[in-house]
Amino acid sequence: DTAVSQTPKYLVTQMGNDKSIKCEQNLGHDTMYWYKQDSKKFLKIMFSYNNKELIINETVPNRFSPKSPDKAHLNLHINSLELGDSAVYFCASSPWTRGRGETQYFGPGTRLLVL
Amino acid sequence: LAKTTQPISMDSYEGQEVNITCSHNNIATNDYITWYQQFPSQGPRFIIQGYKTKVTNEVASLFIPADRKSSTLSLPRVSLSDTAVYYCLVATGGFKTIFGAGTRLFVKA
Repeated sequence: DTAVSQTPKYLVTQMGNDKSIKCEQNLGHDTMYWYKQDSKKFLKIMFSYNNKELIINETVPNRFSPKSPDKAHLNLHINSLELGDSAVYFCASSPWTRGRGETQYFGPGTRLLVL
Repeated sequence: LAKTTQPISMDSYEGQEVNITCSHNNIATNDYITWYQQFPSQGPRFIIQGYKTKVTNEVASLFIPADRKSSTLSLPRVSLSDTAVYYCLVATGGFKTIFGAGTRLFVKA
């Protein structure tokens, strides 16, 4: 049973293209996240949603747009892809515990390579 | 926002106890300390979480001094499969978690 799943696992595309990454969790969690991990392995939060509402939006270019159709899904759409967008993107989810330090469950990651 | 500082890398041998210390000098009163483990090509995985003193589970122990400005993850009797990156993070309000650079642990035979 996959708790947090992401599709696709690998994504190779050309600069300027638009692409989407999908995330689904079957844990019944209220909160979902998107992280970006660059080549140096720094893991940076991009967005956080709670009950389909955006609660964290870090300094991320407007080309990145998250969408949460329901509590179990958080998709990431990227417009006009740039070379610097190449990274591994992780989706995660956690229960609602008032921001005290929720245990986050991560997906397997989507490896994006922009050529 | 509480920032964390960890050693970049550590080496150990199978069967040894490994202690990884994390500094978080400006931790807030309501913050919890959480440690994650990440293997290559996988997402981070929760190891342990604590607020103060000592927490132990089947995988590790977490030691937090009274001032909470640091914490130490203790892995008993490591094996080759414990080779991974270990992240210490301090949760802030509003679900904003900040991962540091992590500590790369190499376990040798």
